[in-house]
Amino acid sequence: ETGVTQTPRHLVMGMTNKKSLKCEQHLGHNAMYWYKQSAKKPLELMFVYNFKEQTENNSVPSRFSPECPNSSHLFLHLHTLQPEDSALYLCASSQVSVAGGLHEQFFGPGTRLTVL
Amino acid sequence: KNEVEQSPQNLTAQEGEFITINCSYSVGISALHWLQQHPGGGIVSLFMLSSGKKKHGRLIATINIQEKHSSLHITASHPRDSAVYICAVRKTSYDKVIFGPGTSLSVIP
Repeated sequence: ETGVTQTPRHLVMGMTNKKSLKCEQHLGHNAMYWYKQSAKKPLELMFVYNFKEQTENNSVPSRFSPECPNSSHLFLHLHTLQPEDSALYLCASSQVSVAGGLHEQFFGPGTRLTVL
Repeated sequence: KNEVEQSPQNLTAQEGEFITINCSYSVGISALHWLQQHPGGGIVSLFMLSSGKKKHGRLIATINIQEKHSSLHITASHPRDSAVYICAVRKTSYDKVIFGPGTSLSVIP
């Protein structure tokens, strides 16, 4: 496997289900990201992990719970979602430095989530 | 008003045409990123630049920090260039990425 992989690619779930999205990066990066892309809206950054520590949470509802067990893996645990949470969820990774700035991010193919 | 704007919102071009997509932003940034999203959803990083110009194949990206503006040019456009092109910036004083709304490009044979 190369680059950034995501599973599953498609997911349909009911509002009472619990599911998890998985992301794995094979690039040796130290930062990973979850993004949400709803229809006809710009990409929204949800969570950022630098060196396995969560450094950003952009007011995401608690029904989305991220987990980063190591620098190569990132999960997004989902529970009691709403139909408006249906979207494309994209994972990305990058190599960040202490100087900050915009580091080139490499994206996974995304998980298309539908909440019924 | 969004902090990152793109124009045009939609663009249809004939194969072979020269295409320009514009991005303007209202915040201080350290760098700007151009991304390409294909209909299936996958996103590919095209360029990351903080000054001047970068070229890769038929794609050219320019940025003018003083004017807070960047352009993405595609020469000799091809139907496989059909995608959504997204501009993204990171503010200098925050660790936050802001994405533009995207420009949907369709290149017709």
